[in-house]
Amino acid sequence: GENVEQHPSTLSVQEGDSAVIKCTYSDSASNYFPWYKQELGKRPQLIIDIRSNVGEKKDQRIAVTLNKTAKHFSLHITETQPEDSAVYFCAASRAGANNLFFGTGTRLTVIP
Amino acid sequence: DTEVTQTPKHLVMGMTNKKSLKCEQHMGHRAMYWYKQKAKKPPELMFVYSYEKLSINESVPSRFSPECPNSSLLNLHLHALQPEDSALYLCASSQQQGGNTGELFFGEGSRLTVL
Repeated sequence: GENVEQHPSTLSVQEGDSAVIKCTYSDSASNYFPWYKQELGKRPQLIIDIRSNVGEKKDQRIAVTLNKTAKHFSLHITETQPEDSAVYFCAASRAGANNLFFGTGTRLTVIP
Repeated sequence: DTEVTQTPKHLVMGMTNKKSLKCEQHMGHRAMYWYKQKAKKPPELMFVYSYEKLSINESVPSRFSPECPNSSLLNLHLHALQPEDSALYLCASSQQQGGNTGELFFGEGSRLTVL
């Protein structure tokens, strides 16, 4: 299956600063790249996603960028708040397939 | 209703037991998934059902047996498990979008402990 690498594994930022998490994928046929947030003891929930026909997508304080040539995509969170503290997973899915493979996760801590 | 409901929330079983995990959704989604998540690890894909047919089996040992009785229900039958199978088992569902994955809606999970 797809191999998705994610960095960094942990990230601490001061409240109000920006956070960036990066992922690379191996399968050039992948065309769907979501980001999930999982708070401690909770289910993963989608926060933003992007398909391979666009290079960037933004939703309020969250943005995702995609570089298909380099096979990497990134999550950008601006003006971080303590409630942004969670584990964030990137994921990738192949065109025409109902699979979704997750990256290794980034534990984000926002320090008040 | 945007809920995926999983039962039981917690399950403790011995290595010789047979038990089942259950998952239900009423969003009309035609793709349903089982993921396994160990502590501090990402969800790991196990099975995918598409229109009630098994479409993906990620080389999961036969002691895990999935079943999709109808478009709203997904079961995972467990038999002769090992202690290393202890994990959080997450069910998810998504709309079919021309065969491409859409947003996955996860249940809260069933936390399994194998003694």
